[in-house]
Amino acid sequence: AQSVTQLDSQVPVFEEAPVELRCNYSSSVSVYLFWYVQYPNQGLQLLLKYLSGSTLVKGINGFEAEFNKSQTSFHLRKPSVHISDTAEYFCAVSDLSNQGGKLIFGQGTELSVKP
Amino acid sequence: EAQVTQNPRYLITVTGKKLTVTCSQNMNHEYMSWYRQDPGLGLRQIYYSMNVEVTDKGDVPEGYKVSRKEKRNFPLILESPSPNQTSLYFCASSLGKGGGGYSPLHFGNGTRLTVT
Repeated sequence: AQSVTQLDSQVPVFEEAPVELRCNYSSSVSVYLFWYVQYPNQGLQLLLKYLSGSTLVKGINGFEAEFNKSQTSFHLRKPSVHISDTAEYFCAVSDLSNQGGKLIFGQGTELSVKP
Repeated sequence: EAQVTQNPRYLITVTGKKLTVTCSQNMNHEYMSWYRQDPGLGLRQIYYSMNVEVTDKGDVPEGYKVSRKEKRNFPLILESPSPNQTSLYFCASSLGKGGGGYSPLHFGNGTRLTVT
C-alpha cells in the first residue's frame, strides 16, 4: 500500500530565508506526486505536480520540488519565503492502479514565516 | 467562477442529531470526494463518487453516508453524529479519476463540525 510521510510537522523560518519541506513516499509502482497548499480558513489548492519528464518541477509562487526516485522523495523548496507563504503544505501521491488515481495525503507541514 | 461550494462553514451539533453538509460544484466534474482533516493525520478520504449514482467507501467511511443523484451535488450525511466525528471536512471534485493524474482536485473551503 502507498503511504506518504512528511518529516516535519512544523517549520518556522524567517522572512527571506530559504525553506525545504520534506516528503517521502512508499509505493511498489510508479507514482504521481503532488504538493497542495492550504492557506488559513481555506481549502487546499494545487501548488505543483510531477507526472513525468523532468524531475525538477516548478510551481506557483516560486516553489519547486524535485522527484528523487532512488530516495523515494519529493521535497518542496523555495529560495526566499514571504510572510504570505505561511500556510499548511500537504504532499500527496497517487498511482493509476489504485482506484483510478486516488490521492494519498501526508500529515501536513505547517510553515510559519516570521518577520 | 469555477468553484466547489460547501455549506455550512461552521456547524455545532449534539450527539445523535442527524445532519447534512452540502457540496456543489459548477465545473461538470465527474469525480467528487469527501475528506476529513484532523491534526497530525492529514486528509483522509471518507467517500468518493466516480459519477452519478456511483459511490464507494474511502478509508474512513464508518458513520457517514453520501448520495450522488445529480452530477453537481454530493452531500455528506451523518445519521447519528458522535464526538469523534468532530473534524474539518472538505469536499473536492476533479475532471479526472481521483485527482491523482492530469486533472487536479478542486477543494471547497471546508466545514468545521463540532459534535458535543
